[in-house]
Amino acid sequence: DADVTQTPRNRITKTGKRIMLECSQTKGHDRMYWYRQDPGLGLRLIYYSFDVKDINKGEISDGYSVSRQAQAKFSLSLESAIPNQTALYFCATARGETQYFGPGTRLLVL
Amino acid sequence: QKEVEQDPGPLSVPEGAIVSLNCTYSNSAFQYFMWYRQYSRKGPELLMYTYSSGNKEDGRFTAQVDKSSKYISLFIRDSQPSDSATYLCAMIGFTDAGGTSYGKLTFGQGTILTVHP
Repeated sequence: DADVTQTPRNRITKTGKRIMLECSQTKGHDRMYWYRQDPGLGLRLIYYSFDVKDINKGEISDGYSVSRQAQAKFSLSLESAIPNQTALYFCATARGETQYFGPGTRLLVL
Repeated sequence: QKEVEQDPGPLSVPEGAIVSLNCTYSNSAFQYFMWYRQYSRKGPELLMYTYSSGNKEDGRFTAQVDKSSKYISLFIRDSQPSDSATYLCAMIGFTDAGGTSYGKLTFGQGTILTVHP
């Protein structure tokens, strides 16, 4: 869905590197979320934001940070990447109780 | 114990079969129940949405919620190869006395479904 875009789509990095995953949306939604997906574990919430000044930790925020640069942009950073952060990362926006997901970023930490 | 349990499968059925996908949950605060479909290399997309107990039908898809048993189901009738995907159940509970959910979804592990011609 082109309304929620994520960059990059694929990324390989090394242990200890800092990386940023970016999310942009054209839906005009205030609420945005970052999830990671691992086989057998489903999607788990990392951070969520209700507007530019309101950012909240999810269930697995350790090792991650976020920045809400504008209503349309929400970035996820891995300060010092480690191999167990290898996963598929999704950004989502929400209207009501419906969430709209981006296409995902596949991250491999060596 | 996970708040939401879903059999990961994989599930393989012939075209035309009736498919039953199920989730159980432990948090009685969950009020909204959803099914998301995720095609390979894509993000999840909302398929069905039910508030509280009951049934909801949309074409070949029927969602059922039994809050007394903490059990939800998705049925797919006349399954098609295009239904092959991962199906994720998801739930939202109210997090304060004012009834605000903050949109925090709790997902099941996902069930991989393959419908073969």
